[in-house]
Amino acid sequence: SSELTQDPAVSVALGQTVRITCQGDSLRSYYASWYQQKPGQAPVLVIYGKNNRPSGIPDRFSGSSSGNTASLTITGAQAEDEADYYCNSRDSSGNHLSFGGGTKLTVL
Amino acid sequence: EVQLVQSGAEVKKPGESLRISCKGSGYSFTSYWISWVRQMPGKGLEWMGRIDPSDSYTNYSPSFQGHVTISADKSISTAYLQWSSLKASDTAMYYCARAQYYYDSSGYLLTNWFDPWGQGTLVTVSS
Repeated sequence: SSELTQDPAVSVALGQTVRITCQGDSLRSYYASWYQQKPGQAPVLVIYGKNNRPSGIPDRFSGSSSGNTASLTITGAQAEDEADYYCNSRDSSGNHLSFGGGTKLTVL
Repeated sequence: EVQLVQSGAEVKKPGESLRISCKGSGYSFTSYWISWVRQMPGKGLEWMGRIDPSDSYTNYSPSFQGHVTISADKSISTAYLQWSSLKASDTAMYYCARAQYYYDSSGYLLTNWFDPWGQGTLVTVSS
């Protein structure tokens, strides 16, 4: 099982705000990165570092962190945001990396 | 354009060997680590390990140590993932990704991220 815990599924009404969380002890001293994966496609980086978006990622995506929890927030979710979202951090040893189990986001 | 292009889908029998590849372009291949990530059918992402193409130093997840070999040929900007004896449980999509790491002034690792990713290589192992 993963050392990073994510809710398996989250839903949001079109245009509303949704927060996807990732919990793990490593996150107390480590910034998570977040990935969006749509069916049949490779993952895409959406948030990295404290709260950085790669070029091309809409500004409705943002990241934050508090204690052992990292969060990905989508403000004004769009239909095209429906996807699986994964967080990434280092593991408890500090020598390896790890992904959360993933959250399936449904936009209603 | 920074890009990682992976080799095509493979169908193998249990016990066979296999090497899949990941070719980088549009950037200095030796300046960034390459990580490999497994995704079993209908499942999540699993970090397998990484390689520094400048010196071929590798670091494996304990879950994959001894089961796969990661290598690189910097002369052709290509990283590899290799199995010596495949099992049915190796059936999965495998992604390579360029890895970046950020350290603070004291050398403490603060974060990492993967960007871009290859398109994936589907490996099917079946008798």
